[in-house]
Amino acid sequence: DIQMTQSPSSLSASVGDSVTITCRASQRISTYLNWYQKKPGEAPKLLIYASSILQSGVPSRFSGSGSGTAFTLTISGLRPEDFATYYCQQTYVTPPITFGQGTRVEIK
Amino acid sequence: QLVESGGGLVQPGGSLRLACVGSGFTFSSRWMHWVRHTPGKGLVWVARSESDGSGATYAESVKGRFTISRDNAKNTVYLQMNSLTDEDTAVYYCARGLPRDYYMDVWGKGTTVTVSS
Repeated sequence: DIQMTQSPSSLSASVGDSVTITCRASQRISTYLNWYQKKPGEAPKLLIYASSILQSGVPSRFSGSGSGTAFTLTISGLRPEDFATYYCQQTYVTPPITFGQGTRVEIK
Repeated sequence: QLVESGGGLVQPGGSLRLACVGSGFTFSSRWMHWVRHTPGKGLVWVARSESDGSGATYAESVKGRFTISRDNAKNTVYLQMNSLTDEDTAVYYCARGLPRDYYMDVWGKGTTVTVSS
């Protein structure tokens, strides 16, 4: 199975800050990497697919990059509604589809 | 839109059947997934059904205990869960995929399964 490792596990930031979350795969996955946002009590939401393609309706302050084994999600100019947990997901070698352990973005 | 149902409290060793009804899209053309979430483990993929119900695949942790199936005439995907343990306690989400493993673009609001005596 491909293991996905996110860092950091949590971070504190202020409204307006830019933050970057890293996701590393245990083997090369091309660009089969997706990012989801999860808020308590809500369904996960697809933000970015294929490493860098913004899902329809997602604000442009979210961006993704990377290929192979290293990927990043950047939020440029945090807004209050962005405080949530973010998960990466690989779909290159399946089954199983695997997620990272999550990165919690908290208000400083 | 996806709407899950069927969650609840069940004793260890018991069974539960979840259902997820899709609307607003051509259900029969999409692969459907079940994903569960716990505070401790985060999001964990559970099972996937291909468009026509063939090619069901499972996470190792549920293989042999859970069965995914679908009724395209009813726009519904099911998850039959048997031999439940406390490790299966989670919020279960159904999610829409493409006709291959790529991404999950629509998710239901989830249904809570609690396994406890």
